[in-house]
Amino acid sequence: AQSVTQPDIHITVSEGASLELRCNYSYGATPYLFWYVQSPGQGLQLLLKYFSGDTLVQGIKGFEAEFKRSQSSFNLRKPSVHWSDAAEYFCAVGSHSGNTPLVFGKGTRLSVIA
Amino acid sequence: GAGVSQTPSNKVTEKGKYVELRCDPISGHTALYWYRQSLGQGPEFLIYFQGTGAADDSGLPNDRFFAVRPEGSVSTLKIQRTERGDSAVYLCASSLVIAGDGTQYFGPGTRLTVL
Repeated sequence: AQSVTQPDIHITVSEGASLELRCNYSYGATPYLFWYVQSPGQGLQLLLKYFSGDTLVQGIKGFEAEFKRSQSSFNLRKPSVHWSDAAEYFCAVGSHSGNTPLVFGKGTRLSVIA
Repeated sequence: GAGVSQTPSNKVTEKGKYVELRCDPISGHTALYWYRQSLGQGPEFLIYFQGTGAADDSGLPNDRFFAVRPEGSVSTLKIQRTERGDSAVYLCASSLVIAGDGTQYFGPGTRLTVL
């Protein structure tokens, strides 16, 4: 069965510091991988996705993620965090066959302090 | 263009009542998904439509939950005899099938509170 683990429930970083949010997945074939961000009271906004090709993918708002098949990981990174990045971040995995339901992790809440 | 829209944004109901939640997908998107997000959790899949038919309803928790998409566009999630445990944010997403790229775009959700 597909599953996604986000080991960190809550992370606090200082504004301007670097960020890495961890995501590990379990999937029987080549996965589609996604990172979404959710601000309070809002829906999910797509940050970036990995389907194939280059394992380092760039997203919006200065985020990037690296797919590491050997570690079953898809960690999200940002070199310098802004206060507006405070939100809930969700990693998700889907099937390579295209339109299938996503399996989400439980999310990591990011707090940014001055 | 317009994104996925959901109405109402908030719904408060009493235990045992019937509710309907509406989703308007992005125009032209053939696939539509419903998810449920409980407090402190990630979204969990409920049902998926390809066109007018439910391609996968394995996530519906019981027969009190039902969804339709009669014309292949707007979808309605229906919950009968609501229970307090149904309280959650119900999210809708849509996607366009292009060469296997099934990226899902989400609406803002409907927050359901069952008293």
